[in-house]
Amino acid sequence: NAGVTQTPKFQVLKTGQSMTLQCAQDMNHNSMYWYRQDPGMGLRLIYYSASEGTTDKGEVPNGYNVSRLNKREFSLRLESAAPSQTSVYFCASIRERRGNEQFFGPGTRLTVL
Amino acid sequence: DQQVKQNSPSLSVQEGRISILNCDYTNSMFDYFLWYKKYPAEGPTFLISISSIKDKNEDGRFTVFLNKSAKHLSLHIVPSQPGDSAVYFCAAIINNNDMRFGAGTRLTVKP
Repeated sequence: NAGVTQTPKFQVLKTGQSMTLQCAQDMNHNSMYWYRQDPGMGLRLIYYSASEGTTDKGEVPNGYNVSRLNKREFSLRLESAAPSQTSVYFCASIRERRGNEQFFGPGTRLTVL
Repeated sequence: DQQVKQNSPSLSVQEGRISILNCDYTNSMFDYFLWYKKYPAEGPTFLISISSIKDKNEDGRFTVFLNKSAKHLSLHIVPSQPGDSAVYFCAAIINNNDMRFGAGTRLTVKP
């Protein structure tokens, strides 16, 4: 039982490049989330998926797209990376939608030059 | 507009004493509150939560207090241990899925 896994762990991009951050969970959870963490800002919700086939915008969705490929996988795509997207990205999952704890992956540290 | 605020970026306490971490929020529609602990280079891990209909929840050394009228919650750790040294995030849930985090408080517990 690996919990929530994320790939890659580190990535450096040039402005304008695209990339996809991968996330998978093996806990049979329905809901999955993508956050970014910036210094002094805490974690901010980018997108979430309450169930397979559905996605919704969070607090800071601009510049990102997501895909809930199946119940296990939830990917985050940057179509044209910008330096403002330099951050640490965390994926999380939760079994129930309301009130239960979220399980977080180890994070992806992304630098956009 | 940060709806969840942790105004103390850092806190240092002696081993065995009480650690009190504070959190304020502005949105009265939040209906669930959580505390997470984070070590460097790891994702946050869940510590304890409280529903908005309660004012206290206890789990071992960790107790969370909620004061709805003041829009304030706190996490008490008693007794504090060096292994508790980490960054603690307060979070609040609105609309079932939308979770808002505070900026975090770095706790250092000195032996």
